[in-house]
Amino acid sequence: GQNIDQPTEMTATEGAIVQINCTYQTSGFNGLFWYQQHAGEAPTFLSYNVLDGLEEKGRFSSFLSRSKGYSYLLLKELQMKDSASYLCAVRDRQAGTALIFGKGTTLSVSS
Amino acid sequence: ETGVTQTPRHLVMGMTNKKSLKCEQHLGHNAMYWYKQSAKKPLELMFVYNFKEQTENNSVPSRFSPECPNSSHLFLHLHTLQPEDSALYLCASSQAGGRAEQYFGPGTRLTVT
Repeated sequence: GQNIDQPTEMTATEGAIVQINCTYQTSGFNGLFWYQQHAGEAPTFLSYNVLDGLEEKGRFSSFLSRSKGYSYLLLKELQMKDSASYLCAVRDRQAGTALIFGKGTTLSVSS
Repeated sequence: ETGVTQTPRHLVMGMTNKKSLKCEQHLGHNAMYWYKQSAKKPLELMFVYNFKEQTENNSVPSRFSPECPNSSHLFLHLHTLQPEDSALYLCASSQAGGRAEQYFGPGTRLTVT
């Protein structure tokens, strides 16, 4: 089966750096995605990792270690607008393009 | 026109009603998805369509019936729902291959009374 774990809640202050971890178990790993979802809104795509290493995109970076079944999303120079839920999702070869989502990590950024 | 649109945005229905949710994508994608999002639960995949063909039905009760008339439109027909079906229903689309990141619509907030 598939299992995705991420912390339920995190808090941080403006300007800080926060790392949101995600561990997963899947038999046919074929990519890991991070999405951001503000309250009452649709999830929006942040990043994609399929090979080991770090992908950087502005203030956001995502890391993947396939051997450890582990990923993290790194958010730098936090802003109030970064307060949202961050969803880790995994794609399995047997499931085609379908994604399996974790429960999400609610990040609260305070001033 | 925004990428993925959904109508209605809010829906209240009784357990004996029949209603339909509509999703339309303007991104030229050929895969579409229905997800259910309930409080404190992960996004649950319900149905997947690739090139208008249903490729996944994730053990969804028959009171939910999807329809995909073409690669741009997706419907979710609802009948005799239960109060526990109250949730946010999200539609998404993607390319059918490659990185295939999914783009989500704003969702329909469904309340079953």
